[in-house]
Amino acid sequence: DGGITQSPKYLFRKEGQNVTLSCEQNLNHDAMYWYRQDPGQGLRLIYYSQIVNDFQKGDIAEGYSVSREKKESFPLTVTSAQKNPTAFYLCASMSEFEDEQFFGPGTRLTVL
Amino acid sequence: QQQVKQSPQSLIVQKGGISIINCAYENTAFDYFPWYQQFPGKGPALLIAIRPDVSEKKEGRFTISFNKSAKQFSLHIMDSQPGDSATYFCAASMRAAGNKLTFGGGTRVLVKP
Repeated sequence: DGGITQSPKYLFRKEGQNVTLSCEQNLNHDAMYWYRQDPGQGLRLIYYSQIVNDFQKGDIAEGYSVSREKKESFPLTVTSAQKNPTAFYLCASMSEFEDEQFFGPGTRLTVL
Repeated sequence: QQQVKQSPQSLIVQKGGISIINCAYENTAFDYFPWYQQFPGKGPALLIAIRPDVSEKKEGRFTISFNKSAKQFSLHIMDSQPGDSATYFCAASMRAAGNKLTFGGGTRVLVKP
């Protein structure tokens, strides 16, 4: 099956801990994105990458970091510097030849 | 700065009725306008999308109307069904800026049987 996988589905973290969210795609897409969704709100862009070994900050990058060492993988680290990390995190990818951005199933992060 | 404003925040419609959701954008450089459907606890899925060179696009029961001069676009859901109950998001992006999606705040639609 082709698609985007995110793991884990649910994640609990204590305050002051860093945590890494996984995003993998087997669609051979060049571009990958991380969005954050808070309850009752739209999605906001955290980071995006259009090519391996390159990425750019989105609108709310503070307290987050990413890497893009492989085309199929774009992990997101939520650091202790992120003041309000509890949210639903969504990864997406798209081909440079098409318009549609495909989303993964999401990871719900809760900081205890 | 909220670049895409969506209304209403919620909508209740009877089965068989029409749901209408409106969005307004500010950046005239946007060149792609998708609508996403999201069910609770799931990732959004593309419903229908339009580019600014056309004023309307229809796919089944879903229609986008686009007004470039007013910087507005809307989603019409005809013959609404209980299975359409979900949250709908409009969005906008620019190919020249990495196709980053800027989302509206969402509309929660409830279709009553």
